[in-house]
Amino acid sequence: KAGVTQTPRYLIKTRGQQVTLSCSPISGHRSVSWYQQTPGQGLQFLFEYFSETQRNKGNFPGRFSGRQFSNSRSEMNVSTLELGDSALYLCASSTEGPYEQYFGPGTRLTVT
Amino acid sequence: QKEVEQNSGPLSVPEGAIASLNCTYSDRGSQSFFWYRQYSGKSPELIMFIYSNGDKEDGRFTAQLNKASQYVSLLIRDSQPSDSATYLCAVGGGSGTYKYIFGTGTRLKVLA
Repeated sequence: KAGVTQTPRYLIKTRGQQVTLSCSPISGHRSVSWYQQTPGQGLQFLFEYFSETQRNKGNFPGRFSGRQFSNSRSEMNVSTLELGDSALYLCASSTEGPYEQYFGPGTRLTVT
Repeated sequence: QKEVEQNSGPLSVPEGAIASLNCTYSDRGSQSFFWYRQYSGKSPELIMFIYSNGDKEDGRFTAQLNKASQYVSLLIRDSQPSDSATYLCAVGGGSGTYKYIFGTGTRLKVLA
């Protein structure tokens, strides 16, 4: 079974721009969660989607948004990028929360 | 009080020894408990999960859960230099949600 895939793997953006990241979960997994990982803050939960519905949201500003499609693929969008948004963005999927979830390789975003 | 607490380490053990990693959590309603291994520059890899009190063994790894004490641990037997990584504890299903809360991780160094 193929694992979680994320695209792109690396991104360099300028302050003020917006970015869209994509995640394809493991086949059969309907729950997709997004995380931001930075050296200072560790792994921070952004949001979780199940069957196209956002069920949980972390403490991030409204510039961070996401969605899930009917095939369970998910995207997250960050608008008006700030330098502090530079991080590794990780997507994880599970059959159903809160059971075991598996991470993709991540997207490394650098904001200059 | 942090929701999931881990000692940041580094925890140094000689090759062949048992490494013991600990984690405490604050939400008594938490339902699921996970250990992830993360190598530098890589995404977290799920190595153990446990849902009920007691011990769960898988190869060289044993996860231990004590819900009364709100404590979960990971034992790594016959530690190898390749086990050197950061180990993240994650707790899911607290407060009736589908969220996973991660600790900041314990850095393990296995000395050859």
